[in-house]
Amino acid sequence: ETGVTQTPRHLVMGMTNKKSLKCEQHLGHNAMYWYKQSAKKPLELMFVYSLEERVENNSVPSRFSPECPNSSHLFLHLHTLQPEDSALYLCASSLFFEGESYEQYFGPGTRLTVT
Amino acid sequence: KNQVEQSPQSLIILEGKNCTLQCNYTVSPFSNLRWYKQDTGRGPVSLTIMTFSENTKSNGRYTATLDADTKQSSLHITASQLSDSASYICVVSPGVGGYNKLIFGAGTRLAVHP
Repeated sequence: ETGVTQTPRHLVMGMTNKKSLKCEQHLGHNAMYWYKQSAKKPLELMFVYSLEERVENNSVPSRFSPECPNSSHLFLHLHTLQPEDSALYLCASSLFFEGESYEQYFGPGTRLTVT
Repeated sequence: KNQVEQSPQSLIILEGKNCTLQCNYTVSPFSNLRWYKQDTGRGPVSLTIMTFSENTKSNGRYTATLDADTKQSSLHITASQLSDSASYICVVSPGVGGYNKLIFGAGTRLAVHP
């Protein structure tokens, strides 16, 4: 185990549903990340939080809404998704210190299917 | 444009055989290169990390090489095992500070058959 947990591991939702993905890290890190992994494509960075403040938002549609209540927890709220949003959503965490981030540790991911 | 290209896209080998996976990158500036292993349904786990000055790094049966001049890296797996079946992802860090915007390759999917 990497010290990063994600729930649920699998999620099937309709396009009109609202659901949330949860990530928790037990590594004492101060930065957390959401990535999207689609089949046969590189990981795409969605959001970065450092010390609970959002510092990156890579042109992600507003139907994805992140929340970071503290340095150990990260959520991704989902609403009115599209079928093309079906993917593996990975959470990661790392230390960030003096302008540099260190190795990222990934959670197991949530396999999302939008019907 | 910063890119990481991996080949082959997929590979099938027999248990006990060796194999080599390739990674070419156009990322500049360059800080480090990592190889990750991602089992099906799991997140990526780091195997090796190499900086500009390192040209080889081993982790058990995994050996990574780096040629920073030609911007190429390889991951060699010796005496493959069934548990080596996974995707192997090459990741390059530009190292320009900030939140370490890693550049990911699309991965090589390796299947080891008995």
